Amino acid sequence: DAKTTQPNSMESNEEEPVHLPCNHSTISGTDYIHWYRQLPSQGPEYVIHGLTSNVNNRMASLAIAEDRKSSTLILHRATLRDAAVYYCIPTQTNTGKLIFGQGTTLQVKP
Amino acid sequence: GAGVSQSPSNKVTEKGKDVELRCDPISGHTALYWYRQRLGQGLEFLIYFQGNSAPDKSGLPSDRFSAERTGESVSTLTIQRTQQEDSAVYLCASSIQVSSTEAFFGQGTRLTVV
Repeated sequence: DAKTTQPNSMESNEEEPVHLPCNHSTISGTDYIHWYRQLPSQGPEYVIHGLTSNVNNRMASLAIAEDRKSSTLILHRATLRDAAVYYCIPTQTNTGKLIFGQGTTLQVKP
Repeated sequence: GAGVSQSPSNKVTEKGKDVELRCDPISGHTALYWYRQRLGQGLEFLIYFQGNSAPDKSGLPSDRFSAERTGESVSTLTIQRTQQEDSAVYLCASSIQVSSTEAFFGQGTRLTVV
């Protein structure tokens, strides 16, 4: 399983953009990069995933480095509800098994 | 139902007793995962079922833990002779087979061993 490195915590102001980085230098060529988040007292929820190209959805954008050794989750306008632990998870194509690391705890200040 | 359902939502048991936790995945999802999350900690992978393949049991912490899945439907996680360190939230998730799709999580079962 590819190892990931994420900051333990980050802070943001409400309605400002947030860039959450993740290093995954041991990722294999066919691993997808998934991002999940866990709000307080809830199960994790899917945010976004990608393989090589940058991806956008209603929740966030995912920017993937050209060498795929890192990626950045972008929340365009943080809200108080975005306060959560964000997990970056390289996922093996042939298994789909999700292994969670420690993630980044995002605090959003009003 | 539309989502992953776990039961019971809360379980208090005495040390040494056996417990069974149930997970009903989303219909049609061939992959099913179990995780453990202790208070203030991250998610620990326990076991992974993928269609008819042999389950990946590499995360089970001891032989007191076991899990079964009936076809592509309900799964049961069994903990025998519970210990206080087994107290945690046990989370189940399901997904369509290929890794490019998202997993959906249940709300978890909070297990307290007294």
